[in-house]
Amino acid sequence: AQKVTQAQTEISVVEKEDVTLDCVYETRDTTYYLFWYKQPPSGELVFLIRRNSFDEQNEISGRYSWNFQKSTSSFNFTITASQVVDSAVYFCALFIIQGAQKLVFGQGTRLIINP
Amino acid sequence: DAGVTQSPTHLIKTRGQQVTLRCSPISGHKSVSWYQQVLGQGPQFIFQYYEKEERGRGNFPDRFSARQFPNYSSELNVNALLLGDSALYLCASSANPGGYNEQFFGPGTRLTVL
Repeated sequence: AQKVTQAQTEISVVEKEDVTLDCVYETRDTTYYLFWYKQPPSGELVFLIRRNSFDEQNEISGRYSWNFQKSTSSFNFTITASQVVDSAVYFCALFIIQGAQKLVFGQGTRLIINP
Repeated sequence: DAGVTQSPTHLIKTRGQQVTLRCSPISGHKSVSWYQQVLGQGPQFIFQYYEKEERGRGNFPDRFSARQFPNYSSELNVNALLLGDSALYLCASSANPGGYNEQFFGPGTRLTVL
């Protein structure tokens, strides 16, 4: 079975702090993709990053960075020097290719950045 | 190019009623997927359609149905609405279901069942 677990329901930090959002996934597939999405109060899902199962290189995009470790089935997301605009719900998701293509989402982590 | 569009934006229904939600994919995309997001949870997969055929179905009751039209737009129908059907319904389009194809999400339809 495929599953994504985001153990942190809510994180609250003060602006400019670094924050890491955890994501652990389960799948028996050898080929899969992992995603992070941001969902602001408007509700629309904003794509942040995609990684395939064969690429374990960490990635940095501005203040955002992602750490993918197949050995621990984790795909963690770090925001450096957080800003109030980073406040949102963040979802980690696993993309299933076999059969019906679908995204399996975690429960989400609500990130609150306090000024 | 226009992104994925959904209508209506908001909808209020009462228990037992039926509702139809609409989705227009990105031009050139032939696959549409539907997700339900209950408040406080992650989106859950409902259906995937490609070339007017159902390619996959999530764990939802038969009250949920969908179809895709020749222009690749799609409708999601929910019959005999329950309070628990209150959710944000998201539509995503992709080019085709073979291999990896990124899914692009629409803004969603927020359904409230009273």
